[in-house]
Amino acid sequence: DQQVKQNSPSLSVQEGRISILNCDYTNSMFDYFLWYKKYPAEGPTFLISISSIKDKNEDGRFTVFLNKSAKHLSLHIVPSQPGDSAVYFCAASAGDYGGSQGNLIFGKGTKLSVKP
Amino acid sequence: ETGVTQSPTHLIKTRGQQVTLRCSSQSGHNTVSWYQQALGQGPQFIFQYYREEENGRGNFPPRFSGLQFPNYSSELNVNALELDDSALYLCASTFGGGFSYEQYFGPGTRLTVT
Repeated sequence: DQQVKQNSPSLSVQEGRISILNCDYTNSMFDYFLWYKKYPAEGPTFLISISSIKDKNEDGRFTVFLNKSAKHLSLHIVPSQPGDSAVYFCAASAGDYGGSQGNLIFGKGTKLSVKP
Repeated sequence: ETGVTQSPTHLIKTRGQQVTLRCSSQSGHNTVSWYQQALGQGPQFIFQYYREEENGRGNFPPRFSGLQFPNYSSELNVNALELDDSALYLCASTFGGGFSYEQYFGPGTRLTVT
């Protein structure tokens, strides 16, 4: 049973437009959410995060929105650039739930392609 | 500030063999987590080490074991390799003790079991 779900395996967007990547979760114990970006042959790179006590966090072109009642979060990239083309992973943490402080549970990822 | 490094980059082993993967944490980080990423999947948590002690474990059998050293570098050992162990193994470090959720990943070790 997947606790973190990214239902879109891929997304294609035109340069300059908005990219919206979605993520759903099932475990109400999750209290922190993160987005990672992964290029081929590299490890995931931390992008942006949000605590469950907030509903929005913004960092430059990247904004994460959290809807706790719907157990849904999204990552908005505005404007999208060709260099943003990568696989994006949504991850969640339940603090010390399950005996491990801050271990991350990942979705399967969404491959974003930004076309010039 | 040096990032997380892992060695080797690639490794090919035969079923039944044993393997050791190595990780050096980002400077200043005292917590190391190991993840397995199968093809087409997200990283899956194996275990975490904090101050040289195992600090939590995912759903992996005991043949997956680890060590953390006083300089916070770490090893992942896998015994009796199975074909399904073929994956990218990622190491991630953070400053632990409950103060940070952001983990910083190395480039990974690609393990192929034949």
